[in-house]
Amino acid sequence: NAGVTQTPKFRILKIGQSMTLQCTQDMNHNYMYWYRQDPGMGLKLIYYSVGAGITDKGEVPNGYNVSRSTTEDFPLRLELAAPSQTSVYFCASSYPQGLGGYTFGSGTRLTVV
Amino acid sequence: AQTVTQSQPEMSVQEAETVTLSCTYDTSENNYYLFWYKQPPSRQMILVIRQEAYKQQNATENRFSVNFQKAAKSFSLKISDSQLGDTAMYFCAFVPLIQGAQKLVFGQGTRLTINP
Repeated sequence: NAGVTQTPKFRILKIGQSMTLQCTQDMNHNYMYWYRQDPGMGLKLIYYSVGAGITDKGEVPNGYNVSRSTTEDFPLRLELAAPSQTSVYFCASSYPQGLGGYTFGSGTRLTVV
Repeated sequence: AQTVTQSQPEMSVQEAETVTLSCTYDTSENNYYLFWYKQPPSRQMILVIRQEAYKQQNATENRFSVNFQKAAKSFSLKISDSQLGDTAMYFCAFVPLIQGAQKLVFGQGTRLTINP
């Protein structure tokens, strides 16, 4: 069981570049989430999805976009990267009502220089 | 808005001691889950323990137990017989069981160091 797989694990971007963080889960979870974790802080929700074709903003959505074309995949797009987006990004998934808990990917460390 | 507060940025104890990490939360919801997650240097988020708000009995998982005080909106984690491998960041998290996606809200974290 792979769980939640995130790629890449590390990335350095220059200011103004764009990139997509990939997230795939094989547990048939309806709900998927993207969080960011700044140094020494807790996780903040960027975007979430309750199913294929449905996405919504979280607490800190500015500068990001998402899509959910399949149940398995939930990519996060960064357009025009800025130093403020330097962070660790976590993808997570769950069943409705959080049954069975939340499964997190191993994170992507992104540095924007 | 729901918030989670962890008032201890850092804690340090000797191996085999017992340590308690504090967490308070603010919500107007009656039904919710509370979690403690462990984040070691590997960055992986590991579920330590979960508590359903409708259950009066405190959750226990081996050396880990919670003290859930619903009226006080308090959810502390007790680690007994602490081990070096318990060294990590610990996050308290809350999710209201309302219609729609159940979005975890995290506290700021407590960095726990177990000393040999």
